[in-house]
Amino acid sequence: DSGVTQTPKHLITATGQRVTLRCSPRSGDLSVYWYQQSLDQGLQFLIQYYNGEERAKGNILERFSAQQFPDLHSELNLSSLELGDSALYFCASSPQVGQGMNTEAFFGQGTRLTVV
Amino acid sequence: DAKTTQPPSMDCAEGRAANLPCNHSTISGNEYVYWYRQIHSQGPQYIIHGLKNNETNEMASLIITEDRKSSTLILPHATLRDTAVYYCIVRVYSSASKIIFGSGTRLSIRP
Repeated sequence: DSGVTQTPKHLITATGQRVTLRCSPRSGDLSVYWYQQSLDQGLQFLIQYYNGEERAKGNILERFSAQQFPDLHSELNLSSLELGDSALYFCASSPQVGQGMNTEAFFGQGTRLTVV
Repeated sequence: DAKTTQPPSMDCAEGRAANLPCNHSTISGNEYVYWYRQIHSQGPQYIIHGLKNNETNEMASLIITEDRKSSTLILPHATLRDTAVYYCIVRVYSSASKIIFGSGTRLSIRP
């Protein structure tokens, strides 16, 4: 158990719909990362938040958005869903440098999104 | 961000050492080498990281060349449970820096 919790584990929805994926990072971790992994594809970096602020953006579509709340949990919103958005979505968190901990990222078990 | 190059696939006999190479010729002085692995659609798992010295932990050893342009991850006694995609990543040692995965090496362990 990495300590990162993602909900829901599975989600099936129709094209054109909007969904929200939730990520609870490890206690005290300030950084949250979101990734998309389509079938048999690599991990595509979407976006990173650090202590509530957007830190880095990857190949995130305009239909997708994310935010990190004051309690440090994060949500990834996917709208106007298309069949091609079907994928595993992973969230990861990492601790703050200077707390005597390494900066490796801990990943959740992902949310499997199926768009039909 | 520095890019990394890894062979797409490798195989290794169970019980033998698995040596996974990674080329990162454009690495910057403040970038570390990190290794992660992903076992069949599970969330990626951190293995090890290093700057310029060789590192060892309970999972693996990391050997970084003196010029830091390449590294090798060593799994000393590979088991079937080590079958996974292994990713070599270079990034600044900061939780505020992004983590970009390449295509990785698919390691197969044969009985």
